Amino acid sequence: RKEVEQDPGPFNVPEGATVAFNCTYSNSASQSFFWYRQDCRKEPKLLMSVYSSGNEDGRFTAQLNRASQYISLLIRDSKLSDSATYLCVVGSNTGGFKTIFGAGTRLFVKA
Amino acid sequence: DAGITQSPRHKVTETGTPVTLRCHQTENHRYMYWYRQDPGHGLRLIHYSYGVKDTDKGEVSDGYSVSRSKTEDFLLTLESATSSQTSVYFCAIGIAGRTYNEQFFGPGTRLTVL
Repeated sequence: RKEVEQDPGPFNVPEGATVAFNCTYSNSASQSFFWYRQDCRKEPKLLMSVYSSGNEDGRFTAQLNRASQYISLLIRDSKLSDSATYLCVVGSNTGGFKTIFGAGTRLFVKA
Repeated sequence: DAGITQSPRHKVTETGTPVTLRCHQTENHRYMYWYRQDPGHGLRLIHYSYGVKDTDKGEVSDGYSVSRSKTEDFLLTLESATSSQTSVYFCAIGIAGRTYNEQFFGPGTRLTVL
């Protein structure tokens, strides 16, 4: 079992749709959680950090459920420019520094 | 813009040759990382550094070494390149803050080992 698992997709949605991504992690000692966005042949870019209380940034909402060990990302009113791969990232510093990236979920937003 | 550059951006080399990739940052961040990205695997940590001359192994460190003699530079060396090391290599810096060590990436180096 991978330490961080994501549905690889692809998700194909029309403009304006709401889309949700989920991510599960196996290390209960994980302390930090992030969503990154990666465009084709580009570097990953930090989209959002995920706080225990949940957080929102414009059209993007991130949630953390420590009991069930999953993280979610909700994108409302999808834009063509949201087309990218979304990476779930989990970090801990128990027993040494460790950051694990999920393999990513591909999103295509179509006109 | 976190001020991270990588060189070279593209390289083709032959099996058995040594290769060194350079990561340079302009903002004196303490933490630096090297990852490789392959289809289906996501990003995997090769080595990381938490200061000058302070480095540690990541999950896929075999066949790689690193050095950090200055805060701004973190070098990744493939002592004897193999075809399995064909990949995209990303350098990152870590910024410790409220949410612990957010990472920002350089543009990547595409390495092909023939």
